[in-house]
Amino acid sequence: SYELTQPPSVSVSPGQTARITCSGDTLPKQYAYWYQQKAGQAPIVVMYKDNERPSGIPERFSGSSSGTTVTLTISAVQAEDEADYYCQSADSSDTYVVFGGGTKLTVL
Amino acid sequence: QVQLQESGPGLVEPSETLSLTCAVSGYSISNGYFWGWIRQPPGKGLEWIGSIYYSGRTYYNPSLKSRVTISLDTSKNQFSLRLSSVTAADTAVYYCVSYRTCFDSWGQGTLVTVSS
Repeated sequence: SYELTQPPSVSVSPGQTARITCSGDTLPKQYAYWYQQKAGQAPIVVMYKDNERPSGIPERFSGSSSGTTVTLTISAVQAEDEADYYCQSADSSDTYVVFGGGTKLTVL
Repeated sequence: QVQLQESGPGLVEPSETLSLTCAVSGYSISNGYFWGWIRQPPGKGLEWIGSIYYSGRTYYNPSLKSRVTISLDTSKNQFSLRLSSVTAADTAVYYCVSYRTCFDSWGQGTLVTVSS
C-alpha cells in the first residue's frame, strides 16, 4: 500500500519559520495537499496542488516540492498556527487517496 | 459555499452495520464534484474511506473495500456511508467531505462508537 511519511512533531518559537515535510514515492507525479486541524475542529485545506494557497489562508503559508518530498512552510509562525498538519496525495493510478500520519506543530 | 452535515447513530454494536448520511446544502450533488467520507479514530490521524463521483462511480480504500458502500440520493441532495461488520477499531469521528480541487468542504464530524 502507498504511504506518505511526516515527522510526528515540529516545534518553533513565535516569529520563526516552521517547515513540515511529507515524503512519498509518487509525489513527483501526484499533487500534494495540506490540511490544518486545530483541536476539536474539522480540518481545513491550507495548500493544494503543491503550492496553491486557498483564499483566506495567510500568505505566510507556502508550499514547495522537490523529488519525493513536499514541504509546507509557515513563515513568522504565530500562536494560532499551533495545530496538526496532514499531507494528502494519491496513488500512482490517481485512484486512491492517502493521508500522511500528521505532524503536530507546537508554538513554544 | 457548500455546507455538509453528518447524521446517524452515535453507537453501533459490534458486527452490525454503521450507517451515516451527509446532507448537502449550497450545491446540487448531481451537478458535479466528488463526495466522500474520511474518518479519524480518537487521538489518531485521518483515514480516507472512499469517494463517489456525481455520476455514481465509487472509489474505496482498499483496506475497507469489502465492507464499504457509498451512495448518492440526488432526490434528497445527500449521500450515505454504510460500513458492515464493524469492530471497536471502527470507532472514530466520521467526516463527510466534498472534493473539487481538494477536500475543500468538511462536515463538523460525528463520533461513532462501536460497543455493546
